[in-house]
Amino acid sequence: DAKTTQPTSMDCAEGRAANLPCNHSTISGNEYVYWYRQIHSQGPQYIIHGLKNNETNEMASLIITEDRKSSTLILPHATLRDTAVYYCIVRSSNNAGNMLTFGGGTRLMVKP
Amino acid sequence: DVKVTQSSRYLVKRTGEKVFLECVQDMDHENMFWYRQDPGLGLRLIYFSYDVKMKEKGDIPEGYSVSREKKERFSLILESASTNQTSMYLCASMDYSGNTIYFGEGSWLTVV
Repeated sequence: DAKTTQPTSMDCAEGRAANLPCNHSTISGNEYVYWYRQIHSQGPQYIIHGLKNNETNEMASLIITEDRKSSTLILPHATLRDTAVYYCIVRSSNNAGNMLTFGGGTRLMVKP
Repeated sequence: DVKVTQSSRYLVKRTGEKVFLECVQDMDHENMFWYRQDPGLGLRLIYFSYDVKMKEKGDIPEGYSVSREKKERFSLILESASTNQTSMYLCASMDYSGNTIYFGEGSWLTVV
């Protein structure tokens, strides 16, 4: 199963773009990259997902490299409420079904 | 509107007690998951189920069992609770395509 690697923590100034990287060098062709975030004491919240093409929604943009071995989540104008742990996960498939494999997560601190 | 419901938000149990954590989803999803989350360790997969009465071990199944008698309900069982099982437990569900994944709000278990 593909695993992910993320920096442990990052800081970002309020109002600036936050760029969160993720490495998934063993990702296979039919696996999607998902991003979730978790604010303290709450369940993870879905942000965005993609397969090959870059994706954008009202929360964020997802940039996936051409070889699909890494991706970057972009929060275009970070606010204090974006302070959270961000998880990059890869959807794995095997004979038993669809597993969710989590990386270690990046703790993003948005500072005034 | 809540789509994945975990029966108990906070529990305190004694060492050796049998503990049931219940999770219900109303989206007719095939796949359901139980994770535990501990400081510094991120989310770790305990068990998952891809269909009724089917179960697969995750990364840390020791000390746990699960039950999936109905599609909407996935139970995590601690046969004999121990203090090292004090943690936050998260349930998630996912449809077969993997395009929608929802987490519950978490159950904080303290074993004393």
